[in-house]
Amino acid sequence: DAKTTQPPSMDCAEGRAANLPCNHSTISGNEYVYWYRQIHSQGPQYIIHGLKNNETNEMASLIITEDRKSSTLILPHATLRDTAVYYCIVRPVYNQGGKLIFGQGTELSVKP
Amino acid sequence: GAGVSQSPSNKVTEKGKDVELRCDPISGHTALYWYRQSLGQGLEFLIYFQGNSAPDKSGLPSDRFSAERTGGSVSTLTIQRTQQEDSAVYLCASSSGTGLVNEQFFGPGTRLTVL
Repeated sequence: DAKTTQPPSMDCAEGRAANLPCNHSTISGNEYVYWYRQIHSQGPQYIIHGLKNNETNEMASLIITEDRKSSTLILPHATLRDTAVYYCIVRPVYNQGGKLIFGQGTELSVKP
Repeated sequence: GAGVSQSPSNKVTEKGKDVELRCDPISGHTALYWYRQSLGQGLEFLIYFQGNSAPDKSGLPSDRFSAERTGGSVSTLTIQRTQQEDSAVYLCASSSGTGLVNEQFFGPGTRLTVL
């Protein structure tokens, strides 16, 4: 699976948009980008995924660059409860049922 | 509906003892996964069950670790002759195992401490 690179930590003011970048320059055409987050002392939680088009759901938006080598997860109005470690994961389309390979993620701190 | 549950939530054991960790997946989910998270470390895949297929054991760190899934539902992760380096949070996840979108739902984890 392609590797991902994320900044180790970020801060965001409450109510502002949080933009979390992810670099996946070795991604191949049959690999999705997935985002999970892990709030302290809880199990990871699925957020969103995409292949090449931008995606939006009730939790977040995912912007994937045209060359697919990087993406940005956007939390439009961050709250204190969004403080968590955010993981960007690349996994093959044909391996939808398989294991997740987690990197170190980005620790997002939302501050009042 | 109910999510993934794990028991016990905390387990303290002495070095050399065997431990069993239990996972109850979401009803109807055919895929079940075990991961572990050591202090300051990322999440590490251990083993994956999908229906009646042979499990993917590629992440098990040693032969002291084993897991089974009875009746396609509940799973037990067994660690024999525990070592201090086995101390970690053990997380279980399940997914529907079908379709292109296959998000995994995680349980709260079992925190294992080996003294």
